[in-house]
Amino acid sequence: ELKVEQNPLFLSMQEGKNYTIYCNYSTTSDRLYWYRQDPGKSLESLFVLLSNGAVKQEGRLMASLDTKARLSTLHITAAVHDLSATYFCAVSLGGTSGSRLTFGEGTQLTVNP
Amino acid sequence: DTGVSQNPRHKITKRGQNVTFRCDPISEHNRLYWYRQTLGQGPEFLTYFQNEAQLEKSRLLSDRFSAERPKGSFSTLEIQRTEQGDSAMYLCASSLLAQETQYFGPGTRLLVL
Repeated sequence: ELKVEQNPLFLSMQEGKNYTIYCNYSTTSDRLYWYRQDPGKSLESLFVLLSNGAVKQEGRLMASLDTKARLSTLHITAAVHDLSATYFCAVSLGGTSGSRLTFGEGTQLTVNP
Repeated sequence: DTGVSQNPRHKITKRGQNVTFRCDPISEHNRLYWYRQTLGQGPEFLTYFQNEAQLEKSRLLSDRFSAERPKGSFSTLEIQRTEQGDSAMYLCASSLLAQETQYFGPGTRLLVL
């Protein structure tokens, strides 16, 4: 059974600081996704990572994938309050599992002024 | 912008009642997914369709749950004889092809009293 683990689960940081969220998964995967969720809202797609060594950046967020280590990271640079949200990684196995996503528990990020 | 839409957005019902939710995917997306999310957790996969065919169901989907996508466009998720444990956010997502990014709707928040 595929398991996806994120850490930390809760992160409180100061504006302007850098930090990294980690996502580990237990089985070889086709691809890895990062989503953002604001309180009471749905999920917004941030990144999809397709291959080992893939790196994608959007604004202050950068995601990377190491398929050999079964690890993805979401790096936050010079955090701002608007980044406060819950961030989920999700893994797709493909094959007979179709494209169902298995999500981590989420990292609740709070950026303080 | 015609994203994924879901109705109703909120539903309060009494235990034992039946409820039905509707999801309209992004136009021309042939894959449609249902997930359930409880407070503080990541979404959990329930089922998915390719066009009108239901290709996979999770073990989470008990006999009280049924989903349809009769014409390969909108989908409905029905819960019969609701229980308090069914209280959750029910999320619908769609994608153009298998393994493509899944775009989520706003969700239907169900509260069973």
